[in-house]
Amino acid sequence: AQSVTQLGSHVSVSEGALVLLRCNYSSSVPPYLFWYVQYPNQGLQLLLKYTTGATLVKGINGFEAEFKKSETSFHLTKPSAHMSDAAEYFCAVTSYSSASKIIFGSGTRLSIRP
Amino acid sequence: NAGVTQTPKFQVLKTGQSMTLQCAQDMNHNSMYWYRQDPGMGLRLIYYSASEGTTDKGEVPNGYNVSRLNKREFSLRLESAAPSQTSVYFCASSGLGRDHRYEQYFGPGTRLTVT
Repeated sequence: AQSVTQLGSHVSVSEGALVLLRCNYSSSVPPYLFWYVQYPNQGLQLLLKYTTGATLVKGINGFEAEFKKSETSFHLTKPSAHMSDAAEYFCAVTSYSSASKIIFGSGTRLSIRP
Repeated sequence: NAGVTQTPKFQVLKTGQSMTLQCAQDMNHNSMYWYRQDPGMGLRLIYYSASEGTTDKGEVPNGYNVSRLNKREFSLRLESAAPSQTSVYFCASSGLGRDHRYEQYFGPGTRLTVT
């Protein structure tokens, strides 16, 4: 079975500060990992994904995430927060053998202070 | 391309009423999904269809039925709505090719209230 834990249901940072959203996963097989973003009253949009290869993956809007197998983590970072980054962020996990079933975390709401 | 479209955007039902949520995608994707989103619980998979002609239960299928009408369309039916089914419902589809079949594209959602 696979699972995802997002630490912190709400994170608040100042504009221009580092954004760090934490995600830990559990998987008995090599995981495929994702971050999705949801803006108010919209569906989810893929930010970035890790399947195989380079463990540091870059996504849209300046976000990146690093797959750390030893720590079972896939934390999302952005060096400098913008007001437009305010949204809810979801970490998700699947695997090659169960690609039709993606398990989502409970989400982290990111607020940006002026 | 419209991507994934859902109708209706909003719906209010009384307990016991039935309704069908419609979803269509124009990306020629094989797989389609229905999720519900509740506060603090992320997205939970209700049903999915890995390909045209097949459907499978997800994490929370009770009280729902689905139909994969053709490759483009995947509908979700509530036969007898209950207040516990008040939620936001999202349809999604996933892509073609080895590197893209894991990426899910989401519709804008249907906000359903059952009174």
